[in-house]
Amino acid sequence: ETGVTQSPTHLIKTRGQQVTLRCSSQSGHNTVSWYQQALGQGPQFIFQYYREEENGRGNFPPRFSGLQFPNYSSELNVNALELDDSALYLCASSGGLDTNIQYFGAGTRLSVL
Amino acid sequence: RKEVEQDPGPFNVPEGATVAFNCTYSNSASQSFFWYRQDCRKEPKLLMSVYSSGNEDGRFTAQLNRASQYISLLIRDSKLSDSATYLCVVNTGGFKTIFGAGTRLFVKA
Repeated sequence: ETGVTQSPTHLIKTRGQQVTLRCSSQSGHNTVSWYQQALGQGPQFIFQYYREEENGRGNFPPRFSGLQFPNYSSELNVNALELDDSALYLCASSGGLDTNIQYFGAGTRLSVL
Repeated sequence: RKEVEQDPGPFNVPEGATVAFNCTYSNSASQSFFWYRQDCRKEPKLLMSVYSSGNEDGRFTAQLNRASQYISLLIRDSKLSDSATYLCVVNTGGFKTIFGAGTRLFVKA
């Protein structure tokens, strides 16, 4: 077990709705990255948070936003959901001895109808 | 051109076979390299880091060729439990981590 937990595990929403996904990072890790993984594809980087600040962003529109809290847990918010947002959303924490190694949670599977 | 490209697979091999996966990356400034394993509908898990000198972990050997911008993973004596998708991962510094699309491996009895 990586110690990274995500909630909820599954979620069904309709187009136009908003969703919030949550992630608790591994103890001692101060960095959280979020990824979107469509079926049959590799994870695509959404953004990263380091000590409560956004540290970098991938090619995702502004309706994807996030937060990191003082305990280093994090949220991913997606507004105005589209059908193509249906995917597995993965959270990864890092920041131990090797800051480049990321440890993933089990993910949240989002279906947009 | 994708930043990280992998053999698409799937690779279907018998138990005991040796199988090799290749991966190329486009950014010559890339700094860290990894192989992750992902089982069906599960999260990716670190298999091994990849170093310039090459490294081995049991039946798994990873190699990096910076001049050719190429990473490989060799699995010897394949087991049924090796069936999974193998993801090539490249970090170009800081936050930017790029995953390949993955190569699917099926090991059959």
